[in-house]
Amino acid sequence: DAKTTQPPSMDCAEGRAANLPCNHSTISGNEYVYWYRQIHSQGPQYIIHGLKNNETNEMASLIITEDRKSSTLILPHATLRDTAVYYCIASNFGNEKLTFGTGTRLTIIP
Amino acid sequence: DVKVTQSSRYLVKRTGEKVFLECVQDMDHENMFWYRQDPGLGLRLIYFSYDVKMKEKGDIPEGYSVSREKKERFSLILESASTNQTSMYLCASSTPSGRARETQYFGPGTRLLVL
Repeated sequence: DAKTTQPPSMDCAEGRAANLPCNHSTISGNEYVYWYRQIHSQGPQYIIHGLKNNETNEMASLIITEDRKSSTLILPHATLRDTAVYYCIASNFGNEKLTFGTGTRLTIIP
Repeated sequence: DVKVTQSSRYLVKRTGEKVFLECVQDMDHENMFWYRQDPGLGLRLIYFSYDVKMKEKGDIPEGYSVSREKKERFSLILESASTNQTSMYLCASSTPSGRARETQYFGPGTRLLVL
């Protein structure tokens, strides 16, 4: 899996968009970008994944740069329940092993 | 609703004891995983299994073994617990087929304290 780099922590005001960056400059052509999050005292939860194109689902949007060296997870209207640690992972699709780093601790401020 | 359950949320054991952590999933998933999570180190993969009776070492298998006798159950065994195995242990499962293959489903975790 390619190495990913994320800021250790971020704050965002409730109701605003939370933009979480991730660098994966050594990502290879067949590696996808995955995002998971872990709310306190729970196991991680899948959010979204993508290869080249931007992706959106009911939880978030994923923007991947054209050179694929970085990506941004967007939570469009952050709520207090979005306070969690967010993990960005680069891995081959269907590679059953995922390497979780230390992630970004996102705090939503009322 | 998909479910991964772990036998205990909290466990206290003494050094040298044999410890069993049980994980059960009800999604008929082929793949199951054991991770440990420590402050500042993120999640680290201990072992995973892609089928009954099959297992592969993850990144930190030393001091651990696993057992997968039935598809739905994956056990993590600490043969002789040590204080450096005090940690949060997380079990996960996934399927290698279809669009769901990218998703690992996690249990709530077992917080193990070895005294």
